[in-house]
Amino acid sequence: ETGVTQSPTHLIKTRGQQVTLRCSSQSGHNTVSWYQQALGQGPQFIFQYYREEENGRGNFPPRFSGLQFPNYSSELNVNALELDDSALYLCASSATGQETQYFGPGTRLLVL
Amino acid sequence: AQKVTQAQTEISVVEKEDVTLDCVYETRDTTYYLFWYKQPPSGELVFLIRRNSFDEQNEISGRYSWNFQKSTSSFNFTITASQVVDSAVYFCALSEGPRSWGKLQFGAGTQVVVTP
Repeated sequence: ETGVTQSPTHLIKTRGQQVTLRCSSQSGHNTVSWYQQALGQGPQFIFQYYREEENGRGNFPPRFSGLQFPNYSSELNVNALELDDSALYLCASSATGQETQYFGPGTRLLVL
Repeated sequence: AQKVTQAQTEISVVEKEDVTLDCVYETRDTTYYLFWYKQPPSGELVFLIRRNSFDEQNEISGRYSWNFQKSTSSFNFTITASQVVDSAVYFCALSEGPRSWGKLQFGAGTQVVVTP
């Protein structure tokens, strides 16, 4: 196990609702990245947080937003959920100067 | 445009056979990192290896080996004497740098099915 934890493990929401996903990084890691993985596809980079600031963003609309806290844990918020937001959301943590990202178990989100 | 191509969607082998997974990448950067991750049915991505663009040495770790060839932009992965526990989806990923460090770009993955 990587020491990266995510909650909840599963979530069901309806279209238009808002959702918050949480991630605790591995001890000693100060950078958190979020990915969306649709069924049968590779993960897609959403954004990365470093020292509580967004440090790079993928091709996702502004309704995807995030936070990083002083203890390096992080939240991913998605507003106005759409059916296509149904996916596995993966959080990864890494340490400054180390390029390897270690992933958590993910949160499976289903939007009905 | 897809930066990482894994042309094999699924590979089925019988236990103890060798299996090679292909990965072709595209980048204009001279400094970059390549990765392989394993995703078992549980969903968690498990890190297997990282290679930087200046290190073309092939690597062997137990039954796993990797062949990095910059001339063909390939970073192939071989599992020797496969086991049922190797059944998973394997992803190749690219991190271009330095402005894009941390943004992993994944291929579509290759499903490996190992039967007894």
